[in-house]
Amino acid sequence: AQRVTQPEKLLSVFKGAPVELKCNYSYSGSPELFWYVQYSRQRLQLLLRHISRESIKGFTADLNKGETSFHLKKPFAQEEDSAMYYCALNQGGSEKLVFGKGTKLTVNP
Amino acid sequence: GAGVSQSPRYKVAKRGQDVALRCDPISGHVSLFWYQQALGQGPEFLTYFQNEAQLDKSGLPSDRFFAERPEGSVSTLKIQRTQQEDSAVYLCASSLNVGARGNTIYFGEGSWLTVV
Repeated sequence: AQRVTQPEKLLSVFKGAPVELKCNYSYSGSPELFWYVQYSRQRLQLLLRHISRESIKGFTADLNKGETSFHLKKPFAQEEDSAMYYCALNQGGSEKLVFGKGTKLTVNP
Repeated sequence: GAGVSQSPRYKVAKRGQDVALRCDPISGHVSLFWYQQALGQGPEFLTYFQNEAQLDKSGLPSDRFFAERPEGSVSTLKIQRTQQEDSAVYLCASSLNVGARGNTIYFGEGSWLTVV
């Protein structure tokens, strides 16, 4: 069965420092990977998806099929990046997203 | 409205009570999803509608859970004889096109259910 693992429940960095939120998945086919973000008192929203290969708010994520990883990175964290981040996977032929348990990122001033 | 709207936002139910949670998707969105998010966990898929057809209900945890979308727009998630383990945030989401793959899914703010 497909599974998404986010090993860090909490991650704390200082403003201006690089940040990497880890995501590993188990799925043997061709998954579609996403990062969702939930800011305080806001709804869950899409941050980026691997097929777009885009940078949103300075964040990037590269799908590494060999390591089955989709880590989220930003070279210089900002205080407004503080939020809950969820990695999610969609397998072909299914309409569901499988989410990880999330990582709470805190960027300290 | 501008986004997916859910009501009630907060519901406290006594064990054994039936509850109904409503979702208004973004107008014109074909796909509608329900997810359950327990405290400290990520959202877990419950069910998927394409217009009025419920195409996947594999995530519904028991036959006490029932969802409908009779006219292909508003959806209701009903939980009968609520149990304490049903306490969670219930998230509704919609997307313009068919399915999850390749589409942007928009989430509502959720309905927080507490069963006492």
